Amino acid sequence: AQKVTQAQTEISVVEKEDVTLDCVYETRDTTYYLFWYKQPPSGELVFLIRRNSFDEQNEISGRYSWNFQKSTSSFNFTITASQVVDSAVYFCALSGTSSNTGKLIFGQGTTLQVKP
Amino acid sequence: DTGVSQNPRHKITKRGQNVTFRCDPISEHNRLYWYRQTLGQGPEFLTYFQNEAQLEKSRLLSDRFSAERPKGSFSTLEIQRTEQGDSAMYLCASSHSSPGANVLTFGAGSRLTVL
Repeated sequence: AQKVTQAQTEISVVEKEDVTLDCVYETRDTTYYLFWYKQPPSGELVFLIRRNSFDEQNEISGRYSWNFQKSTSSFNFTITASQVVDSAVYFCALSGTSSNTGKLIFGQGTTLQVKP
Repeated sequence: DTGVSQNPRHKITKRGQNVTFRCDPISEHNRLYWYRQTLGQGPEFLTYFQNEAQLEKSRLLSDRFSAERPKGSFSTLEIQRTEQGDSAMYLCASSHSSPGANVLTFGAGSRLTVL
């Protein structure tokens, strides 16, 4: 069975702190994709990143970075120097068996609160 | 490009009534998806279309649920004889078919409350 686990339900940090959101996945597929989406209070999920199973290079985009480790089935997301605007629910997701479709399996989400 | 549009944004109904939600995807996207999100949970896949063809339905989509995309553009999701357990946010998303077919653009969702 395929599954995504985000063990951290809520995280609260003070602005400018670094924060890491954990994601652990389960799949028997050799080809799959991993994603992170952000859901601000407005409700619309915003795509942040997609990673395929053959690319384990870490990625950095501004204050955001992602660490993909197949050995531990993890795809963690770090926000450096957090800002109040980063407050949102963050979802990690895994592509289904048909990895080229948008049939995704989402984790339960981590609510991040960044206090000024 | 105005993104994915969903209407209505909020719907309150009484148990047993029928409701219909509409989704207008990004015009050049030929794939359209419906997801359901309950409070405190991640979205769950319901169904998807490529053009007008419904290619997959989840077991979550009971017989009371029906989705259509008659001309391969907008889509409707109808729930018949609503139950309190149907209360959720219904999310629509769209994507290209290839490449990047699994990068979804989501709408803001339609929130259903069944009394």
